[in-house]
Amino acid sequence: QSVLTQPPSVSAAPGQRVTISCSGNTSNFGSNFVSWYQQFPGTAPKLLIYDNSKRPSGIADRFSGSKSGTSATLDITGLQAGDEADYFCGTWDSRRNVKVFGGGTKLTVL
Amino acid sequence: QVQLVQSGAEVKKPGASVRVSCKTSGYTFTTSDINWVRQAPGQGLEWMGWVHPNVGKTGFAQKFQGRVTFTRDTSITTAYMELTSLRFEDTAIYYCARGGLSGEFDFWGQGTLVTVSS
Repeated sequence: QSVLTQPPSVSAAPGQRVTISCSGNTSNFGSNFVSWYQQFPGTAPKLLIYDNSKRPSGIADRFSGSKSGTSATLDITGLQAGDEADYFCGTWDSRRNVKVFGGGTKLTVL
Repeated sequence: QVQLVQSGAEVKKPGASVRVSCKTSGYTFTTSDINWVRQAPGQGLEWMGWVHPNVGKTGFAQKFQGRVTFTRDTSITTAYMELTSLRFEDTAIYYCARGGLSGEFDFWGQGTLVTVSS
């Protein structure tokens, strides 16, 4: 059971927009930044979003993140077949003193 | 460019220990912590802990207390994770990841599969 809650799967057609949610509580989301990771089968996760909404160099602006209260969202616009992957949110939990992740969301591009 | 290259796959028996290495390059090793994250087959990500290469300070998830050790060798810019008293449920891919300024993991190793089997 992951500390952060994500939907197990989402799907949308090419060109459409999809939103992946991530919910937690005040001990993790309260005062800590959220990051998002993209993972293709058989490969390591890759940083997609950090500091709630910033993109590392090389990440397309089709990917955006936001945080409000005890939840965060990852938005992907202009969906492409190559976006099919698992997406994880992560943050620090100040009460447990550990880094916590969501259970991951599998994105299917129809 | 920043790179983290991990050691190869391991097969261990229950009760044994495993050490995984993480060779870094492309940045100043002592300026960023190295985190260890594992992923059981078909499961999500689980943070194990970290080591800061500058002074060797470590932190770890309570779940692994007494079983995990994080070390580093600054002369060869390499971090290590040792897990002892292995159990079947420790079978997973173990990743090292560089810690960013806000706690994000900005670069990851390719992963090391550790299989615990009798």
